[in-house]
Amino acid sequence: DQQVKQNSPSLSVQEGRISILNCDYTNSMFDYFLWYKKYPAEGPTFLISISSIKDKNEDGRFTVFLNKSAKHLSLHIVPSQPGDSAVYFCAARPASYDKVIFGPGTSLSVIP
Amino acid sequence: GAGVSQSPSNKVTEKGKDVELRCDPISGHTALYWYRQSLGQGLEFLIYFQGNSAPDKSGLPSDRFSAERTGGSVSTLTIQRTQQEDSAVYLCASSLGQGTKNIQYFGAGTRLSVL
Repeated sequence: DQQVKQNSPSLSVQEGRISILNCDYTNSMFDYFLWYKKYPAEGPTFLISISSIKDKNEDGRFTVFLNKSAKHLSLHIVPSQPGDSAVYFCAARPASYDKVIFGPGTSLSVIP
Repeated sequence: GAGVSQSPSNKVTEKGKDVELRCDPISGHTALYWYRQSLGQGLEFLIYFQGNSAPDKSGLPSDRFSAERTGGSVSTLTIQRTQQEDSAVYLCASSLGQGTKNIQYFGAGTRLSVL
């Protein structure tokens, strides 16, 4: 049973527009959420995170929103750039344990 | 280097052979993870080491898979009697561990191909 879901396997966005990547989770014990970005033939790299005590965290062009009641988070990238083209993984962990569970990923293509 | 190092970067083996994949975590990181990414799939958790605690092996897909971490540093993932469905990229990550924001730093992975 997938505890972290990313229902869109792929997304295509025009350069300069907003990219919105969605993530849903089922485990109410999760209290810390992370987004990772992965280029081909490389390992994932950390992008941004959010604690469950917040509903928004912003870092430059990247903003993560958390809706705990809906068990939903989203990553907004604005403006999108061609270099943002990558696979984005949503990840979550519970408060009491460091085992991080990853979603299946969304492949983002930013078209110049 | 300062990052997570994995070796080999590529491994081709015949069905039925045993393979060992190595991970050198970032110095000082107490937590170490192994994941597997099959073609077109997400990151599948395999095993998690935290300090001197017993590892969390809940993600290992069968008893052909095992891992150890020597001296709290280097880890080896062993797959015995490999099968074609074991073909995947095996990723290792390390982090500072419990009590921190637990950002994982990944290696570039080992691409395993079982013929």
